Amino acid sequence: RKEVEQDPGPFNVPEGATVAFNCTYSNSASQSFFWYRQDCRKEPKLLMSVYSSGNEDGRFTAQLNRASQYISLLIRDSKLSDSATYLCVVLSGGSYIPTFGRGTSLIVHP
Amino acid sequence: DTEVTQTPKHLVMGMTNKKSLKCEQHMGHRAMYWYKQKAKKPPELMFVYSYEKLSINESVPSRFSPECPNSSLLNLHLHALQPEDSALYLCASSQAHGTEAFFGQGTRLTVV
Repeated sequence: RKEVEQDPGPFNVPEGATVAFNCTYSNSASQSFFWYRQDCRKEPKLLMSVYSSGNEDGRFTAQLNRASQYISLLIRDSKLSDSATYLCVVLSGGSYIPTFGRGTSLIVHP
Repeated sequence: DTEVTQTPKHLVMGMTNKKSLKCEQHMGHRAMYWYKQKAKKPPELMFVYSYEKLSINESVPSRFSPECPNSSLLNLHLHALQPEDSALYLCASSQAHGTEAFFGQGTRLTVV
């Protein structure tokens, strides 16, 4: 079983739709969680950190479910510019080794 | 300012060449990272420096040699690479090891 798993998609949604991605992790001792977005042939850009209490930034909401060992990202009112690959990152263990999921591709169409 | 600067942006090198990738940040971050990313794959961690000391080496072949001259700079020295080492090499930094990391634009390396 992979340490961090994401559905690669693609998720194909119309503008204005609400879309949600999950990312499951296997190490119950994982401590830090992040969502990044990556555009084609560009570097990953930090989208948001994921806190135990959840957090929201505009149209984006991230949540952590420790009991079921997953994090989620909800995007409301999708824009064309949201089209990208969304990567989750989980830091585990005493040495905080960051592990990336394989990414979920989102395509927002007119 | 969350800028991490990498040079060069593109590099083509032969298998017998020696080259270096450079990374710089002026955010006062004390952790710096090298990642390798192949097309349609997530970034793979190579090295982590924390307070200018190598803290993680993810079993990277010795043809890749990292160096941290000071708290703002991180180098990756390349020697005798193979064509399969062609990839996007990403540098990142974070305030401390374990906090959110910010990536540079990467160096797209082609080994011929």
